[in-house]
Amino acid sequence: DSGVTQTPKHLITATGQRVTLRCSPRSGDLSVYWYQQSLDQGLQFLIQYYNGEERAKGNILERFSAQQFPDLHSELNLSSLELGDSALYFCASSSASGIETQYFGPGTRLLVL
Amino acid sequence: AQSVTQPDIHITVSEGASLELRCNYSYGATPYLFWYVQSPGQGLQLLLKYFSGDTLVQGIKGFEAEFKRSQSSFNLRKPSVHWSDAAEYFCAVGAYGGAQKLVFGQGTRLTINP
Repeated sequence: DSGVTQTPKHLITATGQRVTLRCSPRSGDLSVYWYQQSLDQGLQFLIQYYNGEERAKGNILERFSAQQFPDLHSELNLSSLELGDSALYFCASSSASGIETQYFGPGTRLLVL
Repeated sequence: AQSVTQPDIHITVSEGASLELRCNYSYGATPYLFWYVQSPGQGLQLLLKYFSGDTLVQGIKGFEAEFKRSQSSFNLRKPSVHWSDAAEYFCAVGAYGGAQKLVFGQGTRLTINP
């Protein structure tokens, strides 16, 4: 158990819908990262937040957005969902914003029908 | 930009046999290197990491990896595999300074024959 929690574990929704994925980092960690794992793209970095502020962006679609709240939990919002958004979404956390070990949560499996 | 190549998509070894999973990275400076393992339906668990110092690093579950700068490699090894080692293994590289992200290889799926 990494100490990173993600909810829900599974999510099934329809095209065009909007969903919110939630992540609670390890106690004391200030950085949260979001990754997408799909069969065709592999594991891709989406976005990083550090202590409430966006710190780095990867291949995140404009339909996707994230935020980190004062209690340091983070949410990833996915809107206008398409079939291709079906994937496993991981959250990871680390203690700082620079190079640190990232600890991963169990993931949220999203299926868009 | 960083990149990671894991040349072997799928490897099958017999229980008790030795294992080496290959990882090659591309990065302009000294990299931070990681190996993670993902069991079916699970998240990613850190096996080991290299930041600096001794190029042979020990990890959990009896795994070790060796950083070879001249070959841009960070291969993962285990002298004797157990059936419970069956999983997908990911090599990743991180960048120095400022915000960080991990760039992952495509993964190597390990199957263990009894």
